Amino acid sequence: QQQVKQSPQSLIVQKGGISIINCAYENTAFDYFPWYQQFPGKGPALLIAIRPDVSEKKEGRFTISFNKSAKQFSLHIMDSQPGDSATYFCAASAQTGANNLFFGTGTRLTVIP
Amino acid sequence: DSGVTQTPKHLITATGQRVTLRCSPRSGDLSVYWYQQSLDQGLQFLIQYYNGEERAKGNILERFSAQQFPDLHSELNLSSLELGDSALYFCASSLQTGVAGELFFGEGSRLTVL
Repeated sequence: QQQVKQSPQSLIVQKGGISIINCAYENTAFDYFPWYQQFPGKGPALLIAIRPDVSEKKEGRFTISFNKSAKQFSLHIMDSQPGDSATYFCAASAQTGANNLFFGTGTRLTVIP
Repeated sequence: DSGVTQTPKHLITATGQRVTLRCSPRSGDLSVYWYQQSLDQGLQFLIQYYNGEERAKGNILERFSAQQFPDLHSELNLSSLELGDSALYFCASSLQTGVAGELFFGEGSRLTVL
């Protein structure tokens, strides 16, 4: 059972456009929500993360929006660049006990020049 | 470079065989995680070790086992291999457990079962 659901599966955006990837979860014990970026042949790498005490976090062109009541969070990539072309994974974990991450199924982003 | 080293990078074997994947965590990290990545399933959590002890178990098959050694490196053993075990296996490490934070991933071991 997928604990974190991610959409869309793939996304094509023009250079300069906004890329939006959405995730939803059910487990209310989750309290850490990172986004990982993965390039072909590489392992995932942390891009940005949020905890549920804030509704938005911005780092450069990347913003996470978090809706605790709806149990949803999303990644916005502003002014998308060809170098942003990668697979993006949302994830969630709980503070208590082991802090293993539960990942979404990934979104393959292609930014067209 | 995440600092996490995985070997081998590629492995081709036959059904029914057994393989061992090795992971060296970042210097100072006590916690090691194993994930399986397949095309349709994304990243699936298999198992976590912290300072030599098993901390959490995910969707790990009984044919699979893992351990973390005193020097903190970890091995994932996959036995009686089936075609469906073909996947990328990632190891990740973090400083501690019980506190949600960044996991640092290696570049993965690609297993092909023929």
